[in-house]
Amino acid sequence: GAGVSQTPSNKVTEKGKYVELRCDPISGHTALYWYRQSLGQGPEFLIYFQGTGAADDSGLPNDRFFAVRPEGSVSTLKIQRTERGDSAVYLCASSPRLVDEQFFGPGTRLTVL
Amino acid sequence: AQRVTQPEKLLSVFKGAPVELKCNYSYSGSPELFWYVQYSRQRLQLLLRHISRESIKGFTADLNKGETSFHLKKPFAQEEDSAMYYCALSKDNNDMRFGAGTRLTVKP
Repeated sequence: GAGVSQTPSNKVTEKGKYVELRCDPISGHTALYWYRQSLGQGPEFLIYFQGTGAADDSGLPNDRFFAVRPEGSVSTLKIQRTERGDSAVYLCASSPRLVDEQFFGPGTRLTVL
Repeated sequence: AQRVTQPEKLLSVFKGAPVELKCNYSYSGSPELFWYVQYSRQRLQLLLRHISRESIKGFTADLNKGETSFHLKKPFAQEEDSAMYYCALSKDNNDMRFGAGTRLTVKP
């Protein structure tokens, strides 16, 4: 079956612009996670959802970052007033339920010029 | 605070040689430890987790609470083991904390 998908695969934007990154989890997976991976680093936890609610958003770096999952499936990570330091690969993962194996998507490479 | 340290960014061994990828962690409670792997042009995927006590693709990892380590080992490395390896820690498999990763190269 289809794995986790993320769109777009690449996004180039200008400093100060707004971007949305989309994640389609594996069908039926209730838990969804967002990570950010900067060059030469491991993935950094941002937020996770159990169903529609954000169970833990402690990893979001500041209030420019926001994520939603309105129907408990697709999730969108939203970044306002982008900064060059936001440039990274944004990874999404899903799992059948909490404490299960996480399945990762291919990531969205965000470049802020 | 949870922290994972992988002291080696790069590790190179010859095919058939033993390999050990080091991972140290800091966490005050009882952690769950994982190893994830990313092969070239593929997605990040789970290799093994300590709670399963499995051997996957010949790899094993033992949790040493005294030394706060979770080193990944394989007695005879294969060329197809070349990849990026990440050690990760979670207190409940949700807010996963990853190390910076070790790139393993197995030379023929």
